[in-house]
Amino acid sequence: DAGVTQSPTHLIKTRGQQVTLRCSPKSGHDTVSWYQQALGQGPQFIFQYYEEEERQRGNFPDRFSGHQFPNYSSELNVNALLLGDSALYLCASSLETTGFLGEQYFGPGTRLTVT
Amino acid sequence: GNSVTQMEGPVTLSEEAFLTINCTYTATGYPSLFWYVQYPGEGLQLLLKATKADDKGSNKGFEATYRKETTSFHLEKGSVQVSDSAVYFCALMALTGGGNKLTFGTGTQLKVEL
Repeated sequence: DAGVTQSPTHLIKTRGQQVTLRCSPKSGHDTVSWYQQALGQGPQFIFQYYEEEERQRGNFPDRFSGHQFPNYSSELNVNALLLGDSALYLCASSLETTGFLGEQYFGPGTRLTVT
Repeated sequence: GNSVTQMEGPVTLSEEAFLTINCTYTATGYPSLFWYVQYPGEGLQLLLKATKADDKGSNKGFEATYRKETTSFHLEKGSVQVSDSAVYFCALMALTGGGNKLTFGTGTQLKVEL
């Protein structure tokens, strides 16, 4: 049973560019959340997708957008990259029916470096 | 809003020493509480969880008890090993805004030496 997978593993971009990160949830999971983890910090919630819609969002600008596909996989897009966007981006999947009693399973992350 | 406060690291211990990492939280309602571990270069792995007051979560020798009266969820292990060296994150999950996001502390780095 494959866990959460993310691609690519590492990415280097230039300021002002756009980037797309991808996530496939654990088998059977229908909810995907994205987190940003800056170096030496705890993960910060970006947004959560369920039934192909964004249903909750953290304190991130509109440059951060996402999408969820019918197979539950998800993309995170960041436009007009800033140096401060350099971080580890983590995807987590969960099952909606478990609500806040269930756990979120994390992928290995995508390390984004903006130069 | 919801928040989690962890003791700052790094925490350096000798093998077989007793470990305590303090965690306190602020939340509306009754959140679920989690400890996640992150090994170098990897994502987060769930270590243990507790979903209601007085619950004790345990896994791989680690334990934490959900204390509603002190809003705490301290992580303990009786005898640490070198392989326990990692960063530990305390987190809470509450149903807010129609979703169930995790709110994390800043993490505590643990170094275990021979």
